[in-house]
Amino acid sequence: TQLLEQSPQFLSIQEGENLTVYCNSSSVFSSLQWYRQEPGEGPVLLVTVVTGGEVKKLKRLTFQFGDARKDSSLHITAAQPGDTGLYLCAGGGNAGNMLTFGGGTRLMVKP
Amino acid sequence: ETGVTQTPRHLVMGMTNKKSLKCEQHLGHNAMYWYKQSAKKPLELMFVYNFKEQTENNSVPSRFSPECPNSSHLFLHLHTLQPEDSALYLCASSLPHKGSGNTIYFGEGSWLTVV
Repeated sequence: TQLLEQSPQFLSIQEGENLTVYCNSSSVFSSLQWYRQEPGEGPVLLVTVVTGGEVKKLKRLTFQFGDARKDSSLHITAAQPGDTGLYLCAGGGNAGNMLTFGGGTRLMVKP
Repeated sequence: ETGVTQTPRHLVMGMTNKKSLKCEQHLGHNAMYWYKQSAKKPLELMFVYNFKEQTENNSVPSRFSPECPNSSHLFLHLHTLQPEDSALYLCASSLPHKGSGNTIYFGEGSWLTVV
């Protein structure tokens, strides 16, 4: 069974601060996806990374896939209240269309 | 709007009721999924359908019965549920390709409360 562990589970910061969320596993994934979920809504895809060492930027968000494709990180620069939500990482396996989800990081950005 | 529409958005049902959740996708995908999201638990995959055929049943109790009449529609029939089944039920769809970069798109979810 492939497991993904996210840390921290909860994060409360002030507007303007930087933060990093981690997603770690002992298993290798063929792809890693990050989602953001707002209360009462479904998760919305932010990015997919597929190559070891890959870095993708989405405005103030920077995503990195580990060289060994076992871990990933999400860094947010100058966080804003609109960044508040549940951040989920999900790993894609090498067979079929199955995703393994991490437990999520609940972020609150206070104005 | 993600292209995956779920109805109803909220449902309250008694333990002896029979109800159904509906999902429709307008993305041209051929794989559809049901996930369960409970408080303090990771997203749990329940069922996967590829080209209308069920390819994954993640040990889900028989009181949950999925139906996929075509690649665009997915139902979850609910019967004699328990209070612990109260959760957000998420439908999702994707292209059923293997290997890397298999992106799935979620609906907004159906909040289910069993009383």
